[in-house]
Amino acid sequence: KQEVTQIPAALSVPEGENLVLNCSFTDSAIYNLQWFRQDPGKGLTSLLLIQSSQREQTSGRLNASLDKSSGRSTLYIAASQPGDSATYLCAVKIQAGTALIFGKGTTLSVSS
Amino acid sequence: EAGVAQSPRYKIIEKRQSVAFWCNPISGHATLYWYQQILGQGPKLLIQFQNNGVVDDSQLPKDRFSAERLKGVDSTLKIQPAKLEDSAVYLCASSLGGSDFGELFFGEGSRLTVL
Repeated sequence: KQEVTQIPAALSVPEGENLVLNCSFTDSAIYNLQWFRQDPGKGLTSLLLIQSSQREQTSGRLNASLDKSSGRSTLYIAASQPGDSATYLCAVKIQAGTALIFGKGTTLSVSS
Repeated sequence: EAGVAQSPRYKIIEKRQSVAFWCNPISGHATLYWYQQILGQGPKLLIQFQNNGVVDDSQLPKDRFSAERLKGVDSTLKIQPAKLEDSAVYLCASSLGGSDFGELFFGEGSRLTVL
């Protein structure tokens, strides 16, 4: 059974720092991996989608990498801002047509 | 392009009462998902539809939860009777389905409080 783990559960950093959020999954046979952002009381906003054949995806200050063989993905946030404060969720899709399996998320707080 | 629409945004009920949530996916999206997110947890799949057929409902508590997607567009999730542990945010998501990349788009969620 596929399980997704995100460490740490919470992270506090000062504004301007570069940071890395970690996601690990137990079964390396995945179809894709998706990173989401969730603000308090809100739904999920898709940040990056990485297909199983890809190694990384970039969007602005965000870079997500995927290492299927080790069952890991990282989300790199450059030059963090207070507006980046949110919960970041990692989710994997085992195969096409199936639902996403989520981790519990990492709650990020960026102080000014 | 309009996103996934959900209503109501908030609902407070007493235990043993019933409640229904509605979801309208992105136009043209064949696949619709209902997830339950308990405070401090990641979303957990309740049910997945492909058009108006059920693909996966293995984690749906069928003694109290039901869902339908008539005509393959809108969907309704019902809870009857509600229990205290049903307090959660119910998230609806949609994707194109078929041979697409499988990117999911989520609505704002419906927050349920059971007293």
